[in-house]
Amino acid sequence: KAGVTQTPRYLIKTRGQQVTLSCSPISGHRSVSWYQQTPGQGLQFLFEYFSETQRNKGNFPGRFSGRQFSNSRSEMNVSTLELGDSALYLCASSPDLGQILGAFFGQGTRLTVV
Amino acid sequence: DQQVKQNSPSLSVQEGRISILNCDYTNSMFDYFLWYKKYPAEGPTFLISISSIKDKNEDGRFTVFLNKSAKHLSLHIVPSQPGDSAVYFCAARNYGGSQGNLIFGKGTKLSVKP
Repeated sequence: KAGVTQTPRYLIKTRGQQVTLSCSPISGHRSVSWYQQTPGQGLQFLFEYFSETQRNKGNFPGRFSGRQFSNSRSEMNVSTLELGDSALYLCASSPDLGQILGAFFGQGTRLTVV
Repeated sequence: DQQVKQNSPSLSVQEGRISILNCDYTNSMFDYFLWYKKYPAEGPTFLISISSIKDKNEDGRFTVFLNKSAKHLSLHIVPSQPGDSAVYFCAARNYGGSQGNLIFGKGTKLSVKP
């Protein structure tokens, strides 16, 4: 069974640009969550999608958005990039909403904003 | 304010000895606690969990202890092995919440020396 796939693995963008990251969950998993990992803040929850609907949202500005497609694949978008958006963005998929032990993380996308 | 705190950024232990990683939390509504292990360039992997109605959960070399009155949990690894060297994250879930909105600590980097 293939794991959670995140693309691209590495990305360098300039301040003010926008970026789209992709996450393909494990086959059969319907819930996808996104996290931001920075050295100073650890892992912080961005949002969770289930059945193409955002179910939960963390405390991030509106520049951070996401969506989920009918095949459960998810994308997140960051507009008007700031230097502080440099981080590892992790996606986690789980079989269903609320399944506490069933989540698997992808390897992440390392975003560098210059 | 941080709801889940891992106050030790790093820990060094000799192979074969016990590793004890600590985590404190402030929200009494957390109903589940999890530990994740993360190697560089990989996503976090689930290690062990404990429900708030229990005080101990054991899985092989890994044991998690929960002290609700002190709002404190710890992960014990016995015996420690060099392959255990990684960053360990403590995470908590709000009662009735979903997998997606776990609240993570900032992590403790464990180094197990041969």
